[in-house]
Amino acid sequence: DTGVSQDPRHKITKRGQNVTFRCDPISEHNRLYWYRQTLGQGPEFLTYFQNEAQLEKSRLLSDRFSAERPKGSFSTLEIQRTEQGDSAMYLCASSQGWRNEQYFGPGTRLTVT
Amino acid sequence: KQEVTQIPAALSVPEGENLVLNCSFTDSAIYNLQWFRQDPGKGLTSLLLIQSSQREQTSGRLNASLDKSSGRSTLYIAASQPGDSATYLCAATGNQFYFGTGTSLTVIP
Repeated sequence: DTGVSQDPRHKITKRGQNVTFRCDPISEHNRLYWYRQTLGQGPEFLTYFQNEAQLEKSRLLSDRFSAERPKGSFSTLEIQRTEQGDSAMYLCASSQGWRNEQYFGPGTRLTVT
Repeated sequence: KQEVTQIPAALSVPEGENLVLNCSFTDSAIYNLQWFRQDPGKGLTSLLLIQSSQREQTSGRLNASLDKSSGRSTLYIAASQPGDSATYLCAATGNQFYFGTGTSLTVIP
């Protein structure tokens, strides 16, 4: 069990560019979550997968955001036409079973210039 | 929509003190409540999870309680140490996870 991993850890991009982040959950975990966190705030829920099915999406997830988990293992979060307001830490978490205890990755820090 | 509030926003205590962090939530229809620790620039580390049917959980110097009827949870830290300095976040789980804004704890040696 190597924990939840995220790649890249840091991303600097220019406004208008597309970016994609990857999350690898703990291997036996069937649930995967994406959050966004800005400085001084708690994480805000973006979306949730159970296996490959995307079951919940926050209204924060605008049309420029898309997430996939094609084989029920790793997930990707893509942001198209990035804006400066997208600058944040993007966190991924995974869980399994009835306890549904979430385990977080180290996050990807996005800076849009 | 669930609203989660944490009080105080910041707390500074001398080493060795016992302390209590508070978390309140508006919708009592939760599956569980989870406490996390976050160090600056890092991800979240799970500390304790309390199922909705439970009243408290303990791990080492940490004790978390849950009162669903009043919409409150507390995290008790005994004999605080400088290494406990971090931001502590609570999250209420319903169909989604709702986090509070956290309590920033500083333990002074």
